[in-house]
Amino acid sequence: GENVEQHPSTLSVQEGDSAVIKCTYSDSASNYFPWYKQELGKGPQLIIDIRSNVGEKKDQRIAVTLNKTAKHFSLHITETQPEDSAVYFCAASNDYKLSFGAGTTVTVRA
Amino acid sequence: AAGVIQSPRHLIKEKRETATLKCYPIPRHDTVYWYQQGPGQDPQFLISFYEKMQSDKGSIPDRFSAQQFSDYHSELNMSSLELGDSALYFCASSLGQGIGSPLHFGNGTRLTVT
Repeated sequence: GENVEQHPSTLSVQEGDSAVIKCTYSDSASNYFPWYKQELGKGPQLIIDIRSNVGEKKDQRIAVTLNKTAKHFSLHITETQPEDSAVYFCAASNDYKLSFGAGTTVTVRA
Repeated sequence: AAGVIQSPRHLIKEKRETATLKCYPIPRHDTVYWYQQGPGQDPQFLISFYEKMQSDKGSIPDRFSAQQFSDYHSELNMSSLELGDSALYFCASSLGQGIGSPLHFGNGTRLTVT
């Protein structure tokens, strides 16, 4: 099955700085890579996703890049704000069943 | 916009008891997924249903069963509860299956087994 590794496990950034989270996957057949943000007491919320035929996707302050050859993808958050503090999960899928990374706890310091 | 509704939000049960978790998908979504998330862990896939039929099965114990009803809501039935079943249980829904159908999660049911 698919194995997704996510780094770092924790990330502390100064407000206004950028945050980068990296993930690798094992199954070369995976073709869909969503990112979820989970706040305390809530379910994971889809924030951005990318498909294997695209190398980069951007939505305001959030961007995701995908390198299929190296089997890794990254989440970039620019101009971080306190409300960006949460746990972020990457995931990979080659059908519809998601395999999640272990999560990154992001703390934005004011 | 309407989201995935899960009930109850919190549930406390004793060992060997049974529990039923309910999930109401986003309107018109025909696919439901159940995930289990232990403390500090990532969500683990349990089972999914598409058009009221089981479509895939993950690491779901034999003590658990689930079904999707004609109105597309789903229920996860858990019997002979063990301490290790204490976790957050998330339901997600999508319109159809495949990479064009992003999963939308509910806010979960926190199950505590004492």
